[in-house]
Amino acid sequence: QQQVKQSPQSLIVQKGGISIINCAYENTAFDYFPWYQQFPGKGPALLIAIRPDVSEKKEGRFTISFNKSAKQFSLHIMDSQPGDSATYFCAASMKGGGNKLTFGTGTQLKVEL
Amino acid sequence: NAGVTQTPKFQVLKTGQSMTLQCAQDMNHNSMYWYRQDPGMGLRLIYYSASEGTTDKGEVPNGYNVSRLNKREFSLRLESAAPSQTSVYFCASSRRTADNSYEQYFGPGTRLTVT
Repeated sequence: QQQVKQSPQSLIVQKGGISIINCAYENTAFDYFPWYQQFPGKGPALLIAIRPDVSEKKEGRFTISFNKSAKQFSLHIMDSQPGDSATYFCAASMKGGGNKLTFGTGTQLKVEL
Repeated sequence: NAGVTQTPKFQVLKTGQSMTLQCAQDMNHNSMYWYRQDPGMGLRLIYYSASEGTTDKGEVPNGYNVSRLNKREFSLRLESAAPSQTSVYFCASSRRTADNSYEQYFGPGTRLTVT
């Protein structure tokens, strides 16, 4: 049962362009939505996170946009750089859920020169 | 501050063998987790421990057991390994933030192959 659906599976963006990764969720009890970045051979690392009481959160070149009514959230990477090439995972968790994260299936991003 | 450490980094097992994956964190976190990562499936929770002395099943617990040895250590045991358990295993721990979110920090992973 896929509670968090992520797209696209892979993405190629030119250096300086905008990378956009989308996620949709089904469970309206989710109230915390983090994004993780994973480089080959490494563990995932927390990139940015949002709660549903705000529609947007920005940290440097990374922005989360959140649409509560559509049950969707997305990651935007502005001015994408080759060093951003990695796999990105969205995730969600709920209050009282034992702090458990439900992950999307991941997006492999490649930023080309 | 090493964060979350995992041993071993790589392991090859034959079907039916057993082994224990070790995880330790030095961040004084209460909660710890074990995930497996398979291509195209993201990370799936195997077991978690909300605090020392407690453990609970996640999404894919069959074939695994866990022990929360103390606040620092959380081990994952495969009693009789199967080829379907070939995967990359990640341990994580989490801290509670000011807005009651739980940020999870991951270890470097153990790549397990079962032949």
